[in-house]
Amino acid sequence: DQQVKQNSPSLSVQEGRISILNCDYTNSMFDYFLWYKKYPAEGPTFLISISSIKDKNEDGRFTVFLNKSAKHLSLHIVPSQPGDSAVYFCAASEEGGGNKLTFGTGTQLKVEL
Amino acid sequence: EPEVTQTPSHQVTQMGQEVILRCVPISNHLYFYWYRQILGQKVEFLVSFYNNEISEKSEIFDDQFSVERPDGSNFTLKIRSTKLEDSAMYFCASRRLAGGAKNIQYFGAGTRLSVL
Repeated sequence: DQQVKQNSPSLSVQEGRISILNCDYTNSMFDYFLWYKKYPAEGPTFLISISSIKDKNEDGRFTVFLNKSAKHLSLHIVPSQPGDSAVYFCAASEEGGGNKLTFGTGTQLKVEL
Repeated sequence: EPEVTQTPSHQVTQMGQEVILRCVPISNHLYFYWYRQILGQKVEFLVSFYNNEISEKSEIFDDQFSVERPDGSNFTLKIRSTKLEDSAMYFCASRRLAGGAKNIQYFGAGTRLSVL
């Protein structure tokens, strides 16, 4: 069941440059999307989210873009910092019921000095 | 900042034994969840819980699993007879019922369950 896909298992970026993490989904009923950051031995930490009625949401260095027609979202981090090195998970939920989250497989971001 | 707390951080058990994983959700949250992540795999939904009953469960959440909110603060996941394949990180999450951030789930640090 691959309703949410992150096709890049890893990404390496230089400090100060832009990091772009991508996520694709197949379920057209998803109407809310979230990005979580995860360090080893910790739980997922909420980063930023977007509702399907929007196409962009920005919070400081983090911006999420949603392209509903392509069923694609991306997370932009600019400028990237070494502390951003972590695994980033894309997740999606449907309105109604329990709003369970369906996660992607994650992308390991490494920000190098 | 309020956070979801989980205990223990690591639980080792023998196959066939019962385990109880504990969670204290954020105090004004009313929706609670359990997820698990098997090593090298993605985070998977197990169950959601609201108003003292299960609102949704996955295929993974079979008769060996149960959840309970025994008091006003704790939320527990019980596995009655553990199997080797239950070894995973188990995450508890909670969210508000209403308001602008109602769709955001906040996660605990997880319990690593090792079944020997």
